[in-house]
Amino acid sequence: DVKVTQSSRYLVKRTGEKVFLECVQDMDHENMFWYRQDPGLGLRLIYFSYDVKMKEKGDIPEGYSVSREKKERFSLILESASTNQTSMYLCASSAWAHGTGYNQPQHFGDGTRLSIL
Amino acid sequence: EDKVVQSPLSLVVHEGDTVTLNCSYEVTNFRSLLWYKQEKKAPTFLFMLTSSGIEKKSGRLSSILDKKELFSILNITATQTGDSAIYLCAYFYSGGGADGLTFGKGTHLIIQP
Repeated sequence: DVKVTQSSRYLVKRTGEKVFLECVQDMDHENMFWYRQDPGLGLRLIYFSYDVKMKEKGDIPEGYSVSREKKERFSLILESASTNQTSMYLCASSAWAHGTGYNQPQHFGDGTRLSIL
Repeated sequence: EDKVVQSPLSLVVHEGDTVTLNCSYEVTNFRSLLWYKQEKKAPTFLFMLTSSGIEKKSGRLSSILDKKELFSILNITATQTGDSAIYLCAYFYSGGGADGLTFGKGTHLIIQP
């Protein structure tokens, strides 16, 4: 089974702090993703990465950055946390199905519920 | 604007009922459509649909895609309380060297005993 592990289940930080959310997957997947989930807004893509040191902006990248120095690890960084970044953050990974032109379905971690005070 | 629209947003039925959840999408460079079930934690994968008219089944759940009309449905027969969850629809797109998933807002399904 694919295992996507997010470092913290719950996190409380203060406005202006630099916050790191870590995600590790153990299936050698090429693609990794960060989403945030808010009531009434569904899942929204923040950033994704399809290879080491590669990153692409998603739908709502403002206020965030990412780092992928190793294939198994994808970090989401809140440069200066603000209260509107209080949310549930979900990491996901997927494999590239070589020869088919499709990515495989994404597998999600359990989420980090982040509160910014 | 919304590119994935799910309906209804919430639904309450009794055990044993059959439900149909809808997902319509508008996208270029469409590759596939996915359904997920989310209970308390992370979404778990249900189906990936890439071809029109081919039904995918898993137990009491089934799903089909209509690429001409740009929609998909998820059916659950003989519902059980354990089916209570948020059901998410997402399309997978590809283009410009990058890929991504865009999710709908989800349908909150509640099964009453």
